Amino acid sequence: DVKVTQSSRYLVKRTGEKVFLECVQDMDHENMFWYRQDPGLGLRLIYFSYDVKMKEKGDIPEGYSVSREKKERFSLILESASTNQTSMYLCAIQDRVSGGYTFGSGTRLTVV
Amino acid sequence: AQSVTQLDSQVPVFEEAPVELRCNYSSSVSVYLFWYVQYPNQGLQLLLKYLSGSTLVESINGFEAEFNKSQTSFHLRKPSVHISDTAEYFCAVSENQGAQKLVFGQGTRLTINP
Repeated sequence: DVKVTQSSRYLVKRTGEKVFLECVQDMDHENMFWYRQDPGLGLRLIYFSYDVKMKEKGDIPEGYSVSREKKERFSLILESASTNQTSMYLCAIQDRVSGGYTFGSGTRLTVV
Repeated sequence: AQSVTQLDSQVPVFEEAPVELRCNYSSSVSVYLFWYVQYPNQGLQLLLKYLSGSTLVESINGFEAEFNKSQTSFHLRKPSVHISDTAEYFCAVSENQGAQKLVFGQGTRLTINP
């Protein structure tokens, strides 16, 4: 089974800090995604990538950027963290055949 | 653009009772449909999916969902729930062409009472 690893389970950062959230897969999947999960809002797509050095904005990209220098790693960057970015962040890779996702276990980020 | 509506944010039921979690979607093209489950303090796991063929799909733990194209629905059902089914359930849709990124509903929290 494919494995998606998010580097931190819990993270606390201060307002204005630059924050890096890392996601690593152990297979050769091209498509990788970053979502944030908030109560009552479900999962909202921040950014996605179809291959190395490729990135596309999702539905809520403001305040975020991404980096994909190697196929297995997709990083989400909060340029200047704000309290409204306190959330659960989920990384996912996409199966080529079914289109379904495998998710990482998530990073719960608190910005104080 | 696609969208997904889960009509109930919370569904409380008694153990061994039947349950239905509702999901409606909108899309201008053919779709793939998914249900994901998130148990407390865990990540999301795929529960079942509809890609093509039979409109009734089943999971290994007794859930089933039926794709109804005319009603643009993909409701999730289980005839008899167990305490261990307590979780949040997310319906998701993707177009079966092009980008194929998933759009998720708001989630339904299923609570099973003894």
